[in-house]
Amino acid sequence: DAKTTQPPSMDCAEGRAANLPCNHSTISGNEYVYWYRQIHSQGPQYIIHGLKNNETNEMASLIITEDRKSSTLILPHATLRDTAVYYCIVFAGGNTPLVFGKGTRLSVIA
Amino acid sequence: DGGITQSPKYLFRKEGQNVTLSCEQNLNHDAMYWYRQDPGQGLRLIYYSQIVNDFQKGDIAEGYSVSREKKESFPLTVTSAQKNPTAFYLCASIDGLNTEAFFGQGTRLTVV
Repeated sequence: DAKTTQPPSMDCAEGRAANLPCNHSTISGNEYVYWYRQIHSQGPQYIIHGLKNNETNEMASLIITEDRKSSTLILPHATLRDTAVYYCIVFAGGNTPLVFGKGTRLSVIA
Repeated sequence: DGGITQSPKYLFRKEGQNVTLSCEQNLNHDAMYWYRQDPGQGLRLIYYSQIVNDFQKGDIAEGYSVSREKKESFPLTVTSAQKNPTAFYLCASIDGLNTEAFFGQGTRLTVV
């Protein structure tokens, strides 16, 4: 079973920042937080991951709370092409499963 | 180019027949995964494998079987025991921790 909880859907105006929350209150010390997104009928696309520090790349920023029990994915200037289902996952590597939850369906509105 | 390839993209099968979905990666990744996705739903884990000749059941393994005879290949067989096999199937691979998982483009299986 997934160890993360996300809101089922969110809307965001085009050009504004999209802030997608994720709760992972039972995260273990060796588990990373990963974010992926899936555009209809395609394989999921990697966005970003982190352990405890905030991370930023060309696509997004990841903010992880100090207690690591929740995180927020930030798309700084959402475009229509960012409309997708966003998945937050915790993963420890090794012989552990990579389990997806139901994700958040983000709709970017013009 | 390195990547993960699933074939075929679309597959039709008659009820009661077994069918095998292919997943090949040339990324030298140890871990490989199979997921099932139904319309409007998230990804559900079927099987995963960390090393050759070893694999574990995921949340919905009943009616499916896998093999991992080679590092680069992780085929999934949908057996006649799977009551509702029509779905979108995704394969993924990852090289340890602190790296990203790569996904294939999926196989859409339809039972006719």
